[in-house]
Amino acid sequence: DAKTTQPPSMDCAEGRAANLPCNHSTISGNEYVYWYRQIHSQGPQYIIHGLKNNETNEMASLIITEDRKSSTLILPHATLRDTAVYYCIVRVAGGGATNKLIFGTGTLLAVQP
Amino acid sequence: GAVVSQHPSRVICKSGTSVKIECRSLDFQATTMFWYRQFPKQSLMLMATSNEGSKATYEQGVEKDKFLINHASLTLSTLTVTSAHPEDSSFYICSAINSPEAFFGQGTRLTVV
Repeated sequence: DAKTTQPPSMDCAEGRAANLPCNHSTISGNEYVYWYRQIHSQGPQYIIHGLKNNETNEMASLIITEDRKSSTLILPHATLRDTAVYYCIVRVAGGGATNKLIFGTGTLLAVQP
Repeated sequence: GAVVSQHPSRVICKSGTSVKIECRSLDFQATTMFWYRQFPKQSLMLMATSNEGSKATYEQGVEKDKFLINHASLTLSTLTVTSAHPEDSSFYICSAINSPEAFFGQGTRLTVV
């Protein structure tokens, strides 16, 4: 079962920041928080991941609370092309078979013009 | 970034026939690949873990004799849907991990008529 909880949908105005929350209250000490997104009829795309420190890359920022029980993905200036389902996943980093990604229901972000 | 290529992107087959889907890691080696299935308006469901040189590991409820997985090399895993039926129509997606990220293929839309 997925170990994360996300709101089913959110709207955001184009050009504004989109803040997508995720609860992962049962996260283990060695589990990372990963974010992916899926644009309609495509494979998921990696966005960002983190362990306990906040992270930023060219796509987004990831804010993880101090107790690591929740996080927020921030798209600083949302565009229409950011409309997608966003998935928050917790897993142990590494390439082994036990490190599979289990998807929850995700958040459908609709960016409005 | 790393690339995972999936082929074909779309296939229509007659009921009772078999269909093979290929998943290749183009610029890295993957001892483990994952196969997902996604029905309309639903999340990705993990079907099985493909292990190079050994048998695949199937998730509960997935029929291993119907969904044959072969992972003969470090860059290629195949999923064969045998004796396909209309209820097997779905979007099939593969994934490979190039640690710490997981990369996904573009997906295969299977329609069984």
